[in-house]
Amino acid sequence: QQPVQSPQAVILREGEDAVINCSSSKALYSVHWYRQKHGEAPVFLMILLKGGEQKGHEKISASFNEKKQQSSLYLTASQLSYSGTYFCGTKDSWGKLQFGAGTQVVVTP
Amino acid sequence: KAGVTQTPRYLIKTRGQQVTLSCSPISGHRSVSWYQQTPGQGLQFLFEYFSETQRNKGNFPGRFSGRQFSNSRSEMNVSTLELGDSALYLCASSLVFQETQYFGPGTRLLVL
Repeated sequence: QQPVQSPQAVILREGEDAVINCSSSKALYSVHWYRQKHGEAPVFLMILLKGGEQKGHEKISASFNEKKQQSSLYLTASQLSYSGTYFCGTKDSWGKLQFGAGTQVVVTP
Repeated sequence: KAGVTQTPRYLIKTRGQQVTLSCSPISGHRSVSWYQQTPGQGLQFLFEYFSETQRNKGNFPGRFSGRQFSNSRSEMNVSTLELGDSALYLCASSLVFQETQYFGPGTRLLVL
């Protein structure tokens, strides 16, 4: 079953912050975050494993709450280069990686 | 190191035809996964192969099939094409027991 992402889209001005949420109804083994720019392939950002850890990539960080089966991606002090569609992928104990529908992020000058 | 390559990049077919897409993973990567991407649906998992064996399968009809060769290259086949099969088909490879997937540029299939 696909994870659910929210919001579907967000528009930011440079320097603003945003949060993208990803939730699943199934117990999760890991959460994966990817970013896809228009016309390009998705690019790996980070993986979070069970344990509620947080990780960071540039000024993008994420958390994983395994009790709630939720992950959040934090875009801090957004830059123009952050524009794109962000996908969360969740992997359960069976090892199947399922992606959400994506969150489109537009950062304007 | 060369990235994941997919051929062809673009394809136009008509309903009822069949199509074969090819994916060459990054050298040394033995796991290959296939995804279908359509607007609004995001990335839908098709199947995953490792050492020529299908490890996982998504919820797609039997018209969608795949295989992996001994050199880790993979093909997916769609038979009896339908209009709804029009999509970007992405292939991703990863190292054994590693989580990070590296995506290829995709094959854009248009079914008329």
